[in-house]
This record gives sequence, C-alpha cells and structure tokens, in this order.
Amino acid sequence: EDQVTQSPEALRLQEGESSSLNCSYTVSGLRGLFWYRQDPGKGPEFLFTLYSAGEEKEKERLKATLTKKESFLHITAPKPEDSATYLCAVRPNSGYSTLTFGKGTMLLVSP
Amino acid sequence: NAGVTQTPKFRILKIGQSMTLQCTQDMNHNYMYWYRQDPGMGLKLIYYSVGAGITDKGEVPNGYNVSRSTTEDFPLRLELAAPSQTSVYFCASSYGRGTEAFFGQGTRLTVV
Repeated sequence: EDQVTQSPEALRLQEGESSSLNCSYTVSGLRGLFWYRQDPGKGPEFLFTLYSAGEEKEKERLKATLTKKESFLHITAPKPEDSATYLCAVRPNSGYSTLTFGKGTMLLVSP
Repeated sequence: NAGVTQTPKFRILKIGQSMTLQCTQDMNHNYMYWYRQDPGMGLKLIYYSVGAGITDKGEVPNGYNVSRSTTEDFPLRLELAAPSQTSVYFCASSYGRGTEAFFGQGTRLTVV
C-alpha cells in the first residue's frame, strides 16, 4: 500500500527564517512526486513534479528535492504570503496510478 | 481559462436527502477524480475516471456514485446523505497518468 508521511504537521517561522518540510513515501515504483500549496477555503494549487532521485525544481523562494525515500520542500527567506498548507502526493508506477496524498504541513510565517 | 469548476460551493443537506455535486473541466483531460478532505485526515480518493464511460472506486467509495458520459463532466452523487459525509469535496483532472492534477475550488457539504 502506498503511503505518504509529511512532517512536521505544523511549522511557525519568522519572516526570513529558512526551513524545510519533509515528505517520506513508500510506493511500489514511483511515477511522480507532486507538491501542492493549499490556501484556506481553496483547492490545492500545483507547485512541482519530481520524477527521479536527484531531481530538483525551484520556484521563487521554494525548492523541491527528491531522494529514493523522501522529498524536501525548502523555503528560503519566507514571507507572510507563503503561509499555507503544503501537500505532498505520490503517483505509483502501477495500475491507473492515482495520487496518494499526505496529510500536509501547515506553515505560518509571521512578519 | 476556467480549468476545473465545481458547483455548488456550499450545501447543507438533511440526513437521507440526495444531491449531485457537479464538476466540469475545459482542459480536455482524460483523467478525473473526486476527493474528500476532512480536518487532519488529508485528501482521500472517492472515485476516479480514466475516460468517458470508465469509472472505478477509490479508497472511500461507500455512499457515493459517479458517472462519466462526457470528457468534460464527472458528477458525484450522494444517494442517502449521512453525517459521516460532512466534508469538503474536491474534483480534479489530469491529462495522463504521470502528469499533475488540477483541482477545483471545492464544495463544502454539511449533513445535519
């Protein structure tokens, strides 16, 4: 059974204080790992797709990395507008490969 | 470019009532999904479809039904609403198996 575990559950940072969110996964062959951002009352918004170990993607203050067992979302010098819940999901290499989501990390960045 | 559109945004149902959550996408995606999101529980897959006329159960299908008569539309039907179906429902679509899914804004359903 595919599993995704995100840590920490919640993270509070001061503006400018860099940190990382973790996504550990077990999957029967990885077709892709996805990061999403979700604001309160909204649907998840796609950020990144990572396909193979060693791959990195960047967007503004966010950088996602992937190993064979986990992914990190690094947030550099965060701003209050980065406050959101960040979701990680995996798509296996078998069957119809539907997405399995973690429970998310709620990030709060204080000015 | 509308993307994935869900209606209604909010709904209150009484126990035993029925309703249909509507979902339509304009990206010509083959894959469509219904998820529910409960506090602290993450997104759980209810049903999915890989193309018109093809649907399959996800992790939590009990109490729900779907149909996919066109590429664009993927309605979710609740036949006999129960308090356990109080949740936020998200519809999503993707082009293929390895591509990202795009989500609608959600329907907040309360069953009383």
